Amino acid sequence: DTAVSQTPKYLVTQMGNDKSIKCEQNLGHDTMYWYKQDSKKFLKIMFSYNNKELIINETVPNRFSPKSPDKAHLNLHINSLELGDSAVYFCASSQSARKLFFGSGTQLSVL
Amino acid sequence: DQQVKQNSPSLSVQEGRISILNCDYTNSMFDYFLWYKKYPAEGPTFLISISSIKDKNEDGRFTVFLNKSAKHLSLHIVPSQPGDSAVYFCAASEPYNNNDMRFGAGTRLTVKP
Repeated sequence: DTAVSQTPKYLVTQMGNDKSIKCEQNLGHDTMYWYKQDSKKFLKIMFSYNNKELIINETVPNRFSPKSPDKAHLNLHINSLELGDSAVYFCASSQSARKLFFGSGTQLSVL
Repeated sequence: DQQVKQNSPSLSVQEGRISILNCDYTNSMFDYFLWYKKYPAEGPTFLISISSIKDKNEDGRFTVFLNKSAKHLSLHIVPSQPGDSAVYFCAASEPYNNNDMRFGAGTRLTVKP
C-alpha cells in the first residue's frame, strides 16, 4: 500500500496548456502539501492544506491552484503552463507537521 | 532566501567507512531538524530527526549532531553501505510555523564497494 500516491509520474505538455496533478494519502493525516523541486534541486513549499483550509501559500503564481475535495486528496491544477514551470512536483502529508511523508514525484516538462 | 544550506553537492566514500554530511542554517528560530533520504525516481523518505534541546540523536548506523551556536548539523553514517547511496536532504522548521519546513539542496552520497 502506497502511503502517498501522486499521478501522473511524468507529464509532458505544451506551453499554454492546463494540467492537473493528483495526490492521495491513506495515512489519515490532517495536512497535505505541494513542494516544487527546482532546477537547483531545492525543495520549496508551494501550498499546504489543513482540514481543507489553505494555511501556507508561498509566492506562487495564481496560475497554480490547489484543490482539496477531502482530507485525503490535494490536487494541483496549473493554468497556462510556462517553460519555467518545468520541475519535479512532490505531494506530501503529515500529522504532526514535524515529519513529512512524500509521494514519488511528478516530473513536469513544458515544451 | 535559502535558510538551509548544504554546501557539498556530492560526497563519495568507501564501503565500511564513515560518511559525514553537513548542513548549515541561518534562521535561529528553527527548533527541529530532519534528514531525508531520496533515491532516484522516488520521493524523499524520513531518516532521522533532532530537536534543538538535544545535541545528538542516534538511530542504528545514523547519528545526527546539532551545534546550535554554529547553526550547524551533521549526519554521520557508520559504517557506510552501498545501499546508502542516495541524495540526502537536510530540513528544518520553526516551532510556531512548523507547516513550513525548509529544505537544503541535498548532497548526493555515493558509497563505493
